[in-house]
Amino acid sequence: DAGITQSPRHKVTETGTPVTLRCHQTENHRYMYWYRQDPGHGLRLIHYSYGVKDTDKGEVSDGYSVSRSKTEDFLLTLESATSSQTSVYFCAIRRGGEGETQYFGPGTRLLVL
Amino acid sequence: QKEVEQNSGPLSVPEGAIASLNCTYSDRGSQSFFWYRQYSGKSPELIMFIYSNGDKEDGRFTAQLNKASQYVSLLIRDSQPSDSATYLCAVKSGGSNYKLTFGKGTLLTVNP
Repeated sequence: DAGITQSPRHKVTETGTPVTLRCHQTENHRYMYWYRQDPGHGLRLIHYSYGVKDTDKGEVSDGYSVSRSKTEDFLLTLESATSSQTSVYFCAIRRGGEGETQYFGPGTRLLVL
Repeated sequence: QKEVEQNSGPLSVPEGAIASLNCTYSDRGSQSFFWYRQYSGKSPELIMFIYSNGDKEDGRFTAQLNKASQYVSLLIRDSQPSDSATYLCAVKSGGSNYKLTFGKGTLLTVNP
C-alpha cells in the first residue's frame, strides 16, 4: 500500500462537462504522476508534478490540466470531457530508496457518454 | 521517441512451468528497469527492479538484463495460477526527470 487514494473510484459523465479527479498521498512524496491506461496503448503519462505548483506535461496532455496546491493532493481536470477520454486513470508517486520507482493508486474508471 | 516493446501474448503456461516474459527498449541511455504485475481490474504493483547487467533473483522471480542487447526479461519459476496477470515492463532513462516509459504489457495465464 503506497498510501495513495484516488477519488472518485468510478464516474460516469456526459460529453462537454468538466471533470476533476483527485489523488491524495499520505507520505509527503515530491513527485506525483497521472496516467491513463487503455487497451492496446498501455500506460501513458498525462502530467506529472515535482513539487507544489510545479507541474509538467506528459505524452498525452491535450485536453487535461493539473494542479498541485498542497504536497499531498494532485488534481487532474478534464476541461471538457470527450468520449476519447473514457479510460482508467492512475495516480502514482515516486518513492525513493532501494527500488526507487513509481507506486500506483487504485485507479479511477471514467466513462464519458 | 523512447520505446519499450513487449510481446502482447497471451502467454499460456501449465502450472509448475517456467514463464518467460521479454522486453526490449530503444534508448541506450536507459539506466533502470522495472517489472510490474497487474491483476485484472487492479493497479500495477512493483515486483522486481534491476539496474546492472546479469541476473537478479527474488524468490520465484528472476530478472535478467543485457544492456548491450537492450533486453530485459522476467522469469517466473514454478508458475502458479495466482501468477496469472498482465506483466508490465518499465524503463527509466538517464535524465528523465523520474519518468518511466512502459511497455503495453504481456498477459500471462497459468493453467492448473
